Amino acid sequence: EVLLLESGGALVQPGGSLRLSCVTSGFTFTSHAMSWVRQAPGKGLEWVSAITDSGDGTYYPDSVKGRFTISRDDFKSTLYLQMNSLRAEDTAVYYCARDSPVLSYWGQGTLVTVSS
Amino acid sequence: EIVMTQSPATLSVSPGERATLSCRASQSVTSNLAWYQQKPGQPPRLLIYGASTRATGIPARFSGSGSGAEFTLTISSLQSEDFAVYYCQQYNKWPPGTFGQGTKVEIK
Repeated sequence: EVLLLESGGALVQPGGSLRLSCVTSGFTFTSHAMSWVRQAPGKGLEWVSAITDSGDGTYYPDSVKGRFTISRDDFKSTLYLQMNSLRAEDTAVYYCARDSPVLSYWGQGTLVTVSS
Repeated sequence: EIVMTQSPATLSVSPGERATLSCRASQSVTSNLAWYQQKPGQPPRLLIYGASTRATGIPARFSGSGSGAEFTLTISSLQSEDFAVYYCQQYNKWPPGTFGQGTKVEIK
């Protein structure tokens, strides 16, 4: 069974930083690209970042480019999202998803709230 | 950036009836379109990719059609567990893979 479990969400002040983690199991992590997608409260879905299966390619939309960094630890089958210079508009549930650009399996999400 | 527009915003359907959801792209995305279902308090679930291929474990009552800029998700006979929000996503011009704003399917 494919499992994705996010953690690291918290209340953080504007301008602050946070690192999200996504521990995976049930599949060969090194064979799959991985993604982060977010959903603001009561809103739709927004793709946030992706990383290739080999880790040599990373992708971001303009809304987070230069502030967010996606990475992976293949030994731990874990995906990360380092978020810096956080803004109020980054408030959302952040989902980890397997594969890219089609998002085959999703975790339950972790809530990030940016507020003073 | 390709803009995805879904209609209607809300669809009221009785159990057992057919539901037809639309998704339009601001330019052609060929067949690079996916559909996701999201129930309250749950993450999205992949239903369809390649415009018409059902994902693993998705019941046959879900079908996708279309190509270019016009797409349809059809649920042939709505079950109680199908009441949810449905999102389309284009991935022809990626990144970014843009989503539609969603269609909520509610009980009539």
